[in-house]
Amino acid sequence: GNSVTQMEGPVTLSEEAFLTINCTYTATGYPSLFWYVQYPGEGLQLLLKATKADDKGSNKGFEATYRKETTSFHLEKGSVQVSDSAVYFCALRLPRGFQKLVFGTGTRLLVSP
Amino acid sequence: NAGVTQTPKFQVLKTGQSMTLQCAQDMNHEYMSWYRQDPGMGLRLIHYSVGAGITDQGEVPNGYNVSRSTTEDFPLRLLSAAPSQTSVYFCASSYNGQGKAGGSPTGELFFGEGSRLTVL
Repeated sequence: GNSVTQMEGPVTLSEEAFLTINCTYTATGYPSLFWYVQYPGEGLQLLLKATKADDKGSNKGFEATYRKETTSFHLEKGSVQVSDSAVYFCALRLPRGFQKLVFGTGTRLLVSP
Repeated sequence: NAGVTQTPKFQVLKTGQSMTLQCAQDMNHEYMSWYRQDPGMGLRLIHYSVGAGITDQGEVPNGYNVSRSTTEDFPLRLLSAAPSQTSVYFCASSYNGQGKAGGSPTGELFFGEGSRLTVL
């Protein structure tokens, strides 16, 4: 079936450290890939997306590249801030799947000053 | 800028009670959906709707009922609550991308702030 696997959390970093959150997927066809972020007490919001192989999504200093050969979409940021503390969800949408997204389990990021 | 509004934010029920979680959006989105969020399991799709009068089941529909009589509203009903339904529920909406504007769905969902439900 279609699924998304994320690294277990929490990920604990100091401010200005480099961040990587791993995400791999299993899907039929060629899905679109997304990263959503959930700040404490809020709903999820779209962080970035990529719709085809080798596309790079970017937003707010975060980046992720759609790697078809490794079925991955790892999230990276060069220098995290305390305000980046949140839960990050990787997700996929199948072609012709309307807006039905399949989410990973989420990875909590904690950034300390 | 209301966006997606969910009520109530918190609710405690006893086993067997019924209730409705309300969801309203003011963005004229065709697509609306309900997810539940449980620790270690991420978000799972319960039901969704691609337009008024059209609903369909997601991954975990059992024990839940939905209807879509207007574009704006998509209530989720629990007919007989069970402890296994203790969760945080999120409503999300978006454009289908297949209507007047054309194009394909973008995958960007707009989420409400969530409703935390406890069933004792």
